[in-house]
Amino acid sequence: AQSVAQPEDQVNVAEGNPLTVKCTYSVSGNPYLFWYVQYPNRGLQFLLKYITGDNLVKGSYGFEAEFNKSQTSFHLKKPSALVSDSALYFCAVRDWGAAGNKLTFGGGTRVLVKP
Amino acid sequence: DAGVTQSPTHLIKTRGQQVTLRCSPKSGHDTVSWYQQALGQGPQFIFQYYEEEERQRGNFPDRFSGHQFPNYSSELNVNALLLGDSALYLCASSLAGTGKNSPLHFGNGTRLTVT
Repeated sequence: AQSVAQPEDQVNVAEGNPLTVKCTYSVSGNPYLFWYVQYPNRGLQFLLKYITGDNLVKGSYGFEAEFNKSQTSFHLKKPSALVSDSALYFCAVRDWGAAGNKLTFGGGTRVLVKP
Repeated sequence: DAGVTQSPTHLIKTRGQQVTLRCSPKSGHDTVSWYQQALGQGPQFIFQYYEEEERQRGNFPDRFSGHQFPNYSSELNVNALLLGDSALYLCASSLAGTGKNSPLHFGNGTRLTVT
């Protein structure tokens, strides 16, 4: 079974500092990886995806993610965090089966950016 | 361009009752998936509908059932509600045939509270 793990329940960072949210994955075959963000009482918003190609993926709102096959990681990064980036972040892997394409999510990491 | 819409936004039910949640996919999408997100956890896949049929199902009991209509909208039904069914229920839509490059688009969810 495919899975992702987010080892940190919460990440605290000062505004203007770099932000990193960690994710490791376990898949059979090629990984199809995604990052989503969730604001309070809202659904999930797509940030970026890795399907194949460059290991550095650019996404929405200044976020990027680095795919590392040898470390089976897909960490989310932002060079300079904003207070408005405070939210819940989810890493997910797509289970690309013949019958469907469900996402398996990690447990989430809460990001708190302090002014 | 309307995104994924879900109704109602909040719902309170009593143990043993039945509930129906509704979802309209993003314009142009034909596939609907349902996820359950318990408090403090990542979303868990319930099932996916395409061409009015359940195509894939997660580890949820038969009390959870669904339906997809010819206009691609969908319903999630939960019978014999348990306290543990209290969660945010998320609907996500996508377009079949667009492949692994297409992210899922999520609605804002229905918050179900079972008392």
